[in-house]
Amino acid sequence: SQQGEEDPQALSIQEGENATMNCSYKTSINNLQWYRQNSGRGLVHLILIRSNEREKHSGRLRVTLDTSKKSSSLLITASRAADTASYFCATDPLLTGGGNKLTFGTGTQLKVEL
Amino acid sequence: NAGVTQTPKFQVLKTGQSMTLQCAQDMNHEYMSWYRQDPGMGLRLIHYSVGAGITDQGEVPNGYNVSRSTTEDFPLRLLSAAPSQTSVYFCASSYSNQGAGDTQYFGPGTRLTVL
Repeated sequence: SQQGEEDPQALSIQEGENATMNCSYKTSINNLQWYRQNSGRGLVHLILIRSNEREKHSGRLRVTLDTSKKSSSLLITASRAADTASYFCATDPLLTGGGNKLTFGTGTQLKVEL
Repeated sequence: NAGVTQTPKFQVLKTGQSMTLQCAQDMNHEYMSWYRQDPGMGLRLIHYSVGAGITDQGEVPNGYNVSRSTTEDFPLRLLSAAPSQTSVYFCASSYSNQGAGDTQYFGPGTRLTVL
């Protein structure tokens, strides 16, 4: 079963604009992670936010986590054509006892046009 | 470091055939896992291992076997391939297996088609 659901499923923006993707999940978590996947490639880790954190930054990325709403958002500022990719949220559910067993959402396909 | 490597990159099988997807990492990671990615489904966990000699089932383990005889290698075996196993398979590893959360490093994937 899918733990996370991303919204929107697809997003098309112009270079320089900001892109916001949302993730909702169902059960309590240890942490939530965001990954990027370029077409035909493996996933690349972007950022991890723990359940006791509310916001985290990494370069042009800003992630927020609201555990009361079981939701997270990923903001990419000043987007570039190279940001074109699929973005996935992944949760490490609390009840699994850890072990880093991630559950992935269905992803948001981001297209950044010149 | 080569990171996480997977072989082969592409494979076509006939229904009923068996094969092994290879995965290796050179980062001395304890935790390794296998996922499959189907269109519109995201990634689903097949099997995982928290260390050499220890494996466990994920969300979709049926039709697959794994073993972990060394820290570096984590092969995935398809016992009798079925068309429903047509997918892209990703191997991943991470340093931590203690539930504190850690970055997972993914291999480039194996695209498998079962006819």
